[in-house]
Amino acid sequence: AQSVTQLGSHVSVSEGALVLLRCNYSSSVPPYLFWYVQYPNQGLQLLLKYTSAATLVKGINGFEAEFKKSETSFHLTKPSAHMSDAAEYFCASRTPGGGNKLTFGTGTQLKVEL
Amino acid sequence: EAQVTQNPRYLITVTGKKLTVTCSQNMNHEYMSWYRQDPGLGLRQIYYSMNVEVTDKGDVPEGYKVSRKEKRNFPLILESPSPNQTSLYFCASSGPSWDGYTFGSGTRLTVV
Repeated sequence: AQSVTQLGSHVSVSEGALVLLRCNYSSSVPPYLFWYVQYPNQGLQLLLKYTSAATLVKGINGFEAEFKKSETSFHLTKPSAHMSDAAEYFCASRTPGGGNKLTFGTGTQLKVEL
Repeated sequence: EAQVTQNPRYLITVTGKKLTVTCSQNMNHEYMSWYRQDPGLGLRQIYYSMNVEVTDKGDVPEGYKVSRKEKRNFPLILESPSPNQTSLYFCASSGPSWDGYTFGSGTRLTVV
């Protein structure tokens, strides 16, 4: 069964600093991978997705993620944090041909400090 | 505007009183799904649907029912709610190319 692990339930960075949110997956085949962001009292918004094309994926709001098969990772990064990036971030995976089951990690709360 | 609409946004109910949370999407999507979100557990899939009249259990289906009589609607039914079903619920939909789910704004349910 596939699973997604997000290391660090809370991450705090200074405004302007690098954002790095970690995600590792466990799957028998390379999955499709997604990052979602959830702002307070809102639903989840898709940030970016990897579907077996380019391994470096660029998303909205300056975020990007790199699929590394050897490390089974899909870490989310942003070069310079902004106060508006404060939110909860979820990594998710889907097995190709696995219907519409999306398996989520437990989430990482990002705090951005002045 | 393409969207998934859930109602109600907030609901407080008593144990055992049947309730339905509605979900509707205007994107003609085949796939729809219900998730619950609990602190420290992320999102867990309750039920999903591949198309009209095609539904199946997710990871935590106990205590829930769904139906898919029309493509756009996918209601979640709690026949006899219990306090352990207090949670934040999300409906989501996706088209056949599976670019990822579009989520509704959520329904915060409290069962007392």
